[in-house]
Amino acid sequence: GQNIDQPTEMTATEGAIVQINCTYQTSGFNGLFWYQQHAGEAPTFLSYNVLDGLEEKGRFSSFLSRSKGYSYLLLKELQMKDSASYLCAVLDSNYQLIWGAGTKLIIKP
Amino acid sequence: GAVVSQHPSWVICKSGTSVKIECRSLDFQATTMFWYRQFPKQSLMLMATSNEGSKATYEQGVEKDKFLINHASLTLSTLTVTSAHPEDSSFYICSARDPSSGPSEQYFGPGTRLTVT
Repeated sequence: GQNIDQPTEMTATEGAIVQINCTYQTSGFNGLFWYQQHAGEAPTFLSYNVLDGLEEKGRFSSFLSRSKGYSYLLLKELQMKDSASYLCAVLDSNYQLIWGAGTKLIIKP
Repeated sequence: GAVVSQHPSWVICKSGTSVKIECRSLDFQATTMFWYRQFPKQSLMLMATSNEGSKATYEQGVEKDKFLINHASLTLSTLTVTSAHPEDSSFYICSARDPSSGPSEQYFGPGTRLTVT
């Protein structure tokens, strides 16, 4: 079966750095997405990795290792507005998104 | 970037009634649209894939006679929850694929919160 694992909840301090991990086992792989979702809102796109390595975009970076079935989202200089759920999703061989359960990130002052 | 809208953003209805939710791609033609449901503190669950001009493909466990999907044009897909019950109360989100952006890109609507009393 297809499976995506990420921690349920993480806590970090404002101004710090946090890394949210995601491991996956899917039938085929056409890329991995990270989305941010604030409570009561739809997900918003953060990043897309299809090749191994690190993609940096401002305060957010995403890493992918296809051989290990592993990705992480790195958030730097945390701000209170970064408190949200972060969803890892993999595009499988049928180009369907397989979603992780999401990681709720709590930022403390 | 591409924009997807949903209407209404929230709706309250009585048990036994039907509710229609619209999903529109505003600045692109979407050959494929997806309907998701999300319960509190849970991730998105794909309900069905909607292709313009053909019948929707439903995920296992989703009742196609209860959740009617119509994708009559390249910019509009509708989800009708028929004979709604309190357990159908959820956050319904659509997404659309812009073929010009490649198969990997999906654009999400803002979601519709349905409450059935």
